[in-house]
Formats: sequence, C-alpha cells, structure tokens
Amino acid sequence: SQKIEQNSEALNIQEGKTATLTCNYTNYSPAYLQWYRQDPGRGPVFLLLIRENEKEKRKERLKVTFDTTLKQSLFHITASQPADSATYLCALEEGTGRRALTFGSGTRLQVQP
Amino acid sequence: GAGVSQTPSNKVTEKGKYVELRCDPISGHTALYWYRQSLGQGPEFLIYFQGTGAADDSGLPNDRFFAVRPEGSVSTLKIQRTERGDSAVYLCASSTSGAHNEQFFGPGTRLTVL
Repeated sequence: SQKIEQNSEALNIQEGKTATLTCNYTNYSPAYLQWYRQDPGRGPVFLLLIRENEKEKRKERLKVTFDTTLKQSLFHITASQPADSATYLCALEEGTGRRALTFGSGTRLQVQP
Repeated sequence: GAGVSQTPSNKVTEKGKYVELRCDPISGHTALYWYRQSLGQGPEFLIYFQGTGAADDSGLPNDRFFAVRPEGSVSTLKIQRTERGDSAVYLCASSTSGAHNEQFFGPGTRLTVL
C-alpha cells in the first residue's frame, strides 16, 4: 500500500543547531514534493517545492533534498530558532495531472532556547 | 491582501444533522481544495475544484459529503446525516491555475459531532 512516513516523535534540538526532518514514501512516484509548516490551530503554510529532477533546493535557512532512488526527502533548518518550533508536513504530488496533495502525518519540532 | 477564510471557525452539531462549511479563497485563485485533518494526522484530500467544476472528488469518503462552487469563487462543503467519525478540522486551500503551485490554506473549521 502507499505510505508516507515522517517521524512521529517530536524532534527536540538546541537553538542554533541544524534540524533535520525526514520524509520517506513507498509505492508512490511523486513528480513534486512540498514541505509545509503548521502551527497549532492554523492551516499549513507552504515552505518549499522540489521537483523529481532536482536534488536540492534552498531558501534562506531552509534546505530540501529529494532522492527518488531512496524514496526520501530531507528537510533541514540551519541556525534554528525557537520561532521555528512547529509541525512540519511533507506532501507529495504525483505527476499524473492529479493536483491533490498527499500529506504525511508531520513531525513536531521543538527548538529550545 | 486577504488570505483564505473559512466560516465558521468552530461548529458543534448532533449526530444525524446537516452542516455546511464555507470557504472564501484568495481572489483570482481558480483552484480550490478541501481537506480534512484529524488530530495527529496530516491533511487528507477530499475534493478539488478548477473553476466551477469538481475536477477530482475521489477523496470524498461517501455520498453524505458534497461540495459546490457555483460561481468559481466561494465554495461550500456539505455534510448530510453527520456521524461522530466526521469530527475533524476541515481545511480549505486555494492556488493559481498553474501546475504544481503552492497551496494557500485557510485556518480551518473544527467540526465536532456529538
């Protein structure tokens, strides 16, 4: 069956360190992968999109990698800050023309001051 | 500019009742999506509109769920004969018509079925 896995346990790190979140998928062939941030009581907010033919994408302190052989995406936040504390969701879009996103369950990140 | 808005923010209803949830997308966004999110889970796709038509309703769980977007802007998600299992946060998102664009989400409507 199709599955998207993100670490269900919260990730706790110290301010200033790099946070690395993992998204693994099985039985999908996504053409695009997106990362969203979600704060409690709010809707997800788009962060980055990476295409299947891109290995890496950066935006300010954020970096995303996409390995279609390993079926894995890594999401990095460098120089993390307490304000980065949130749940981070990965979402797949298949390249079949279907626009719906399939989301993982998210990983909660807690950055300690 | 205004983002995606959803009303009501909270809805409590009794099992068996009918509910309507409203979504106002970002002006000019032709694509509109409905998702629902249970506690501790990611959003689960329900239906996608391109303009006025439902381009993909494969995520609707059963025929108690229906959504409309008559003028290509505001959308209403309708749930008949609500069940306790329908309790969740219902999220609406919109995007431009270009392929693979980011989706802009509203704050959601928290539906509780007693």
